[in-house]
Amino acid sequence: QLVLTQSPSASASLGASVKLTCTLDSGHSSYATAWLQQQPEKGPRYLMKLNSDGSHKKGDGIPDRFSGSSSGAERYLTISSLQSEDEADYYCQTWGTGIQLFGGGTKLTVL
Amino acid sequence: QLQLQESGPGLVKPSETLPLTCSVSGGSISSTNYYWGWLRQPPGKVLEWIGSVYYTGTTHYNPSLKSRVTISVDTSKNQFSLKLNFVTAADKAVYYCAGHGRDYDTLTGYYPAWVDVWGQGTTVTVSS
Repeated sequence: QLVLTQSPSASASLGASVKLTCTLDSGHSSYATAWLQQQPEKGPRYLMKLNSDGSHKKGDGIPDRFSGSSSGAERYLTISSLQSEDEADYYCQTWGTGIQLFGGGTKLTVL
Repeated sequence: QLQLQESGPGLVKPSETLPLTCSVSGGSISSTNYYWGWLRQPPGKVLEWIGSVYYTGTTHYNPSLKSRVTISVDTSKNQFSLKLNFVTAADKAVYYCAGHGRDYDTLTGYYPAWVDVWGQGTTVTVSS
């Protein structure tokens, strides 16, 4: 069964970096994922598509501060030089034939 | 730049049909690059995919909702629509329309993949 797991919360200081993790179940470790950002009271925003080899394609206008990487079944979103507007919920998404799945989201607090 | 906008009733009575429409601007709904989808997020819960449609009318549905869902496309209006039948309180959610990239499977062909364009969402409540 396709499963995505995210930690419910993370925090980091203004100007620092943070690395968020999304974990696929072991049977689907080669799947690509996407990262989404949802700021308070807004719709989700596509950040990037992230492949199992770590290659990624970012959405239009996504700052260079956002980057992605992969290791095995784990997909990472790193945000550097944290700004106050980065405080948001971050979701990972994966897909297959007849299925679209979202993780539970990580609430990022910028201290 | 592609933009999506949902429209429809904010309140639906139990057992009735929820109709929503998504208007696409800044690009053509007949683009070969996109599937067009509906997703929802109940209060405090995870995003859930409802289903998606290609401009040709080919549809893919979430198996858990398939019996109650119809998604269609109107290329002349650059719109696509959702109908969710027999709604209950469990269907209360923010509903999003979206544009998916496409992936390919050698057995089943193309299917909707990552979501890279989102509407702003519309809140739907189910109550008599």
